[in-house]
Amino acid sequence: KQEVTQIPAALSVPEGENLVLNCSFTDSAIYNLQWFRQDPGKGLTSLLLIQSSQREQTSGRLNASLDKSSGRSTLYIAASQPGDSATYLCAVRDSNYQLIWGAGTKLIIKP
Amino acid sequence: NAGVMQNPRHLVRRRGQEARLRCSPMKGHSHVYWYRQLPEEGLKFMVYLQKENIIDESGMPKERFSAEFPKEGPSILRIQQVVRGDSAAYFCASSPDLATGQGHEQFFGPGTRLTVL
Repeated sequence: KQEVTQIPAALSVPEGENLVLNCSFTDSAIYNLQWFRQDPGKGLTSLLLIQSSQREQTSGRLNASLDKSSGRSTLYIAASQPGDSATYLCAVRDSNYQLIWGAGTKLIIKP
Repeated sequence: NAGVMQNPRHLVRRRGQEARLRCSPMKGHSHVYWYRQLPEEGLKFMVYLQKENIIDESGMPKERFSAEFPKEGPSILRIQQVVRGDSAAYFCASSPDLATGQGHEQFFGPGTRLTVL
């Protein structure tokens, strides 16, 4: 049974720092992995999607990597800003359709 | 092309009442998925539907919960005789009308926040 773990559960850093969020999964047979952002009381914003054949994806200040063999993904945020404060969720698609979710990392960027 | 739409955004029900949550997928998408997010937890898969078919309902509670996706109209998640433990955010996602197993992205709606008093 696939399990997704995100570490740390919470992170608080000063503005301007580069930071890394971690996601691990137990079964390497995945179709893709997505990183989402969730603001309090709001919906989900898809940030990056990495297909199983890919190693990384980039969008602006965000870079996500995928290492299937070790069951790990990282989300790298460069030059963090207070507006980056949110909960970041990792989800893997390991069958035709189900997304299996981590519990998220709550990120606070201090001005 | 409008995104995935869900309504209502917020729903308050008293214990024992029925809750109906609606989801309109993106244009051209015929695959719909429902997820539930309990407070302070990650999302959990509930059900996967295609038009007029339930493909996988393994994540649905065995009682009181049902889902449909009719030929015309939105997908409906129905919760009968709600209890306080049903209070959660319910998210709907849709994906393109292509063969499964190809890792297609799921696009999410804004969610419906159900509060049971």
